[in-house]
Amino acid sequence: AQSVTQPDIHITVSEGASLELRCNYSYGATPYLFWYVQSPGQGLQLLLKYFSGDTLVQGIKGFEAEFKRSQSSFNLRKPSVHWSDAAEYFCAVGSYNNNDMRFGAGTRLTVKP
Amino acid sequence: EAGVTQSPTHLIKTRGQQATLRCSPISGHTSVYWYQQALGLGLQFLLWYDEGEERNRGNFPPRFSGRQFPNYSSELNVNALELEDSALYLCASSLPGLNTEAFFGQGTRLTVV
Repeated sequence: AQSVTQPDIHITVSEGASLELRCNYSYGATPYLFWYVQSPGQGLQLLLKYFSGDTLVQGIKGFEAEFKRSQSSFNLRKPSVHWSDAAEYFCAVGSYNNNDMRFGAGTRLTVKP
Repeated sequence: EAGVTQSPTHLIKTRGQQATLRCSPISGHTSVYWYQQALGLGLQFLLWYDEGEERNRGNFPPRFSGRQFPNYSSELNVNALELEDSALYLCASSLPGLNTEAFFGQGTRLTVV
């Protein structure tokens, strides 16, 4: 069964600094990978997804993620963080024959002024 | 176009009671997913419905059940409520087919007292 680990529960960065959120997955075949963001009191919004092809994926709001099969990782990056990026970020993995995504525990991002 | 809508927004129940949560998917979406987001536990997959059938179920006891109606809306029922059932319950929907993007509702906050 697929599973996801987000090693960092809480990260604090200064506004304008770069950001990298880590995600490691466990799945036997090629996974389908997602990053979602959840602002306080809101549902989840898809930032980006990887199904196949180019391992560097561009998403909304200036985010990107890189799929590294050898490291079983799908880390999320942003070159310059804005205060509005403060939220909870979830990595998720799906399988080729199943639609029920499995989520990591989430990483809460705090942005310092 | 309306997004995924969930009702009620908040629900307070007493231990031992039953709770019914509702979800209306985006028009044209046939798959509905339910997730439980308990404090500190991330999103746990509950149920996946597609075309009126239960396709998969997460690791939850049988007192968590649901159904999908012919118009693709869905209900989640939680019987014999326990204090630890207190959580945000998120519904998502997607188009037919595998690994299409899931769109999330705002959630129902269930509090069991």
